[in-house]
Amino acid sequence: AQSVAQPEDQVNVAEGNPLTVKCTYSVSGNPYLFWYVQYPNRGLQFLLKYITGDNLVKGSYGFEAEFNKSQTSFHLKKPSALVSDSALYFCAVRDSFSGNTGKLIFGQGTTLQVKP
Amino acid sequence: ETGVTQTPRHLVMGMTNKKSLKCEQHLGHNAMYWYKQSAKKPLELMFVYNFKEQTENNSVPSRFSPECPNSSHLFLHLHTLQPEDSALYLCASSPRQGPISTDTQYFGPGTRLTVL
Repeated sequence: AQSVAQPEDQVNVAEGNPLTVKCTYSVSGNPYLFWYVQYPNRGLQFLLKYITGDNLVKGSYGFEAEFNKSQTSFHLKKPSALVSDSALYFCAVRDSFSGNTGKLIFGQGTTLQVKP
Repeated sequence: ETGVTQTPRHLVMGMTNKKSLKCEQHLGHNAMYWYKQSAKKPLELMFVYNFKEQTENNSVPSRFSPECPNSSHLFLHLHTLQPEDSALYLCASSPRQGPISTDTQYFGPGTRLTVL
């Protein structure tokens, strides 16, 4: 069965420091992986995705994520956090296994708090 | 903005009311989705439409009734809801939906529904 885990409910980081938001997944076939961000009272905004190729994916607002097949992880990173990065972050996976409908499975979300 | 709009943004209704949520996408996509977002829970996929045909109903109670008259519009008709149905309802669209699709889903801002 497909699943996504975000092990941390909240991540706190000081402005200017690097940040990491963790995500691990479980799928039957090859994974298609996504990160979304949600600001208060807003919908989800797409940040980046991994389909195939280079394990380091670069996305919007200076974010990047590293796909690690052996650890089944897709952690979101940013070298220098901004206060405006404070939001709710969702990891999602789609299974390429042909027996699935291709629906996106979301993690429970991680709240990122960046303090000045 | 993502090109996906939702109306109304906020809705308060009694358990005996009938109301509808509307979603419109201006991206030329062919797949549309309804999700439910409750506090402290992962996003729950409710319905998927692909080229106006319903391809997924995720065991949603019949008090929620979707309608997709064309690829640009999606409705969620609500009747005799329960207080536990209070949540943020998110609409999304993507170019298409299917097991091998790597397409990104783009989300609207959501409708915050409160059932009294």
